[in-house]
Amino acid sequence: EAAVTQSPRNKVAVTGGKVTLSCNQTNNHNNMYWYRQDTGHGLRLIHYSYGAGSTEKGDIPDGYKASRPSQENFSLILELATPSQTSVYFCASGDVGGYAEQFFGPGTRLTVL
Amino acid sequence: GQQVQQSPASLVLQEGENAELQCNFSTSLNSMQWFYQRPGGSLVSLFYNPSGTKQSGRLTSTTVIKERRSSLHISSSQTTDSGTYLCAMEQGGRALIFGTGTTVSVSP
Repeated sequence: EAAVTQSPRNKVAVTGGKVTLSCNQTNNHNNMYWYRQDTGHGLRLIHYSYGAGSTEKGDIPDGYKASRPSQENFSLILELATPSQTSVYFCASGDVGGYAEQFFGPGTRLTVL
Repeated sequence: GQQVQQSPASLVLQEGENAELQCNFSTSLNSMQWFYQRPGGSLVSLFYNPSGTKQSGRLTSTTVIKERRSSLHISSSQTTDSGTYLCAMEQGGRALIFGTGTTVSVSP
């Protein structure tokens, strides 16, 4: 089974600060994803990647950047954090070309004060 | 509008009762996945089910892609089944599109 880990698990940041959320997967999946989960909205896609060096915008990319330096690692970067970015963030990985099960990390709870 | 509709939004069961959760999709899809989530917890994949019926213990998932629907059946519910059940669709090479979930509460 795919192993997806995230760090930190909890983070408190100040408005205007920079936040980096990290994700690591050990199953050699090409595709990785960042979602956020909010009450009333469910899970929504922020950024995704098809492999090292690639990042694509999801449905709600404003205020976020992503970086995929290697097959295993995918980061989500908030350059100027705002209180509206307070949420739970999930990273996921899956195999190529769709038609493939996705596996989720444990989540990062981010609070922006 | 919402591409993935889940029903019911919430469900209260007595231990031992069966339940059926529904997921309907407004657009065509390649496959779908069912997840379980405890409050404050991560998403645990229950079924990856592009089509047909799959069973795992007391859980059964049935997907009819042509009719754009999937169901999750819980038999002989237990208190440990309490939590939120999410379905998600995959349209082809991209990420999952999630429903808003069914919250299940099972009392002893």
